[in-house]
Amino acid sequence: DIQMTQSPSTLSASVGDRVTITCRASQSISSWLAWYQQKPGKAPKLLIYKASSLESGVPSRFSGSGSGTEFTLSISSLQPDDFATYYCQQYNSYPHTFGQGTKLEIK
Amino acid sequence: QVQLVQSGAEVKKPGASVKVSCKPSGYTFSSFGISWVRQAPGQGLEWMGWISAYNGDTNFAQKLQGRVTMTTDTSTSTAYMELRSLRSDDTAVYYCVRAPGSRGGGNEDYWGQGTLVTVSS
Repeated sequence: DIQMTQSPSTLSASVGDRVTITCRASQSISSWLAWYQQKPGKAPKLLIYKASSLESGVPSRFSGSGSGTEFTLSISSLQPDDFATYYCQQYNSYPHTFGQGTKLEIK
Repeated sequence: QVQLVQSGAEVKKPGASVKVSCKPSGYTFSSFGISWVRQAPGQGLEWMGWISAYNGDTNFAQKLQGRVTMTTDTSTSTAYMELRSLRSDDTAVYYCVRAPGSRGGGNEDYWGQGTLVTVSS
């Protein structure tokens, strides 16, 4: 199975900050990577697919980049609604493994 | 709009089975697949498996092989996930997620609201 490792596990930031979350794959997954946002008690929501494609309706302050084994999710100017947990997921091969999550907290 | 509506919460004893349903709307059910993902309390997301509503093809996480069954009923546009021989560490919220209809066809996108399955004696 492909292992996905996110860093950091927790990130403290303020409204208006730019933040970046990293996701590393244990082997190359080309660009077959998605990012999800999850709020407490809710289902995850797709933000980014194919490493850098923005899902319809997702604010443009979210962006994704990378290929191969290293990927990043950036939020250009944090809004109050962005404080949540973020997961990466590879879909290059089954099983479609997730990273362990990054909790974005208000500083 | 695409929606996936899941069945309600379940409480089961160790060793029992649970069957969770997922009824999508807003798209052609038989053109896509359904993945199942679970999340134990306070933990991350675990991909369980996938079934194609197009041709019935499946793929399961190795750790669940032999205990999980995924099916679809195209006459009612409903997907089911059955987990047998339940243990306490199967306690989790179970999500159905819209997935590609063919193996290796892309990413999952729309999620159901989740079904809490509690395994307790």
